[in-house]
Amino acid sequence: SYELTQPPSVSVSPGQTARITCSGETLPKRYASWYQQKPGQAPVLVIFQDNERPSRIPERFSGSSSGTTVTLTIRGVQAEDEADYYCQSADTGGTFPWVFGGGTKLTVL
Amino acid sequence: QVQLVQSGVEVKKSGASVKVSCKTSGYTFTNYGISWVRQAPGQGLEWMGWISADNGVTNYAQKLQGRVTMTRDTSTTTAYMEMRSLRSDDTAVYYCARIMSGGPSIAVTATDYWGQGTLVTVSS
Repeated sequence: SYELTQPPSVSVSPGQTARITCSGETLPKRYASWYQQKPGQAPVLVIFQDNERPSRIPERFSGSSSGTTVTLTIRGVQAEDEADYYCQSADTGGTFPWVFGGGTKLTVL
Repeated sequence: QVQLVQSGVEVKKSGASVKVSCKTSGYTFTNYGISWVRQAPGQGLEWMGWISADNGVTNYAQKLQGRVTMTRDTSTTTAYMEMRSLRSDDTAVYYCARIMSGGPSIAVTATDYWGQGTLVTVSS
């Protein structure tokens, strides 16, 4: 089955830039989305179609794509950004199943 | 405002079935699909499938084929997810989420509004 690979954890100090990567062989052909999830809460969409940001999401969140890797970048990280982040995309074959990455725990030091 | 409100906590025995509802409001129901995602305790997100609210077409994750059924009632703007033959590893929080405008499609796989989640506990 298709997989998306994320680092288990990323740590950054307040005010610095956090980058979370997601790798998958079909990412050159399929858009990716990113979700933020805080403990006990439902996920929140922060990036869609690789680099589009929903209007209610702060501008410090951005997305990019290069080959088989997509990246979520958070500039000027704040304490409130500490959360789990998941990438999501779809396969290119069969019934085009959707898939989530394993998630990355962002720790703000 | 867009809202997805899910049914409450469920406790089931192994082998039983569960049906979770997702009542939507604040938008035209048939213009957006619904995706279902689950999350086992301490684990990541797992995509279960989606249903087109317009025509009822479904797409299920292969590992759940034969055990899960997604339906919708356009008259009450409610989506449903039923899972049969429950096992202990089905214990999870189950979420419904609205698929963004234009989806589900090759290009549109993101979900912009989520329900609050429904905890389903399966015990032996």
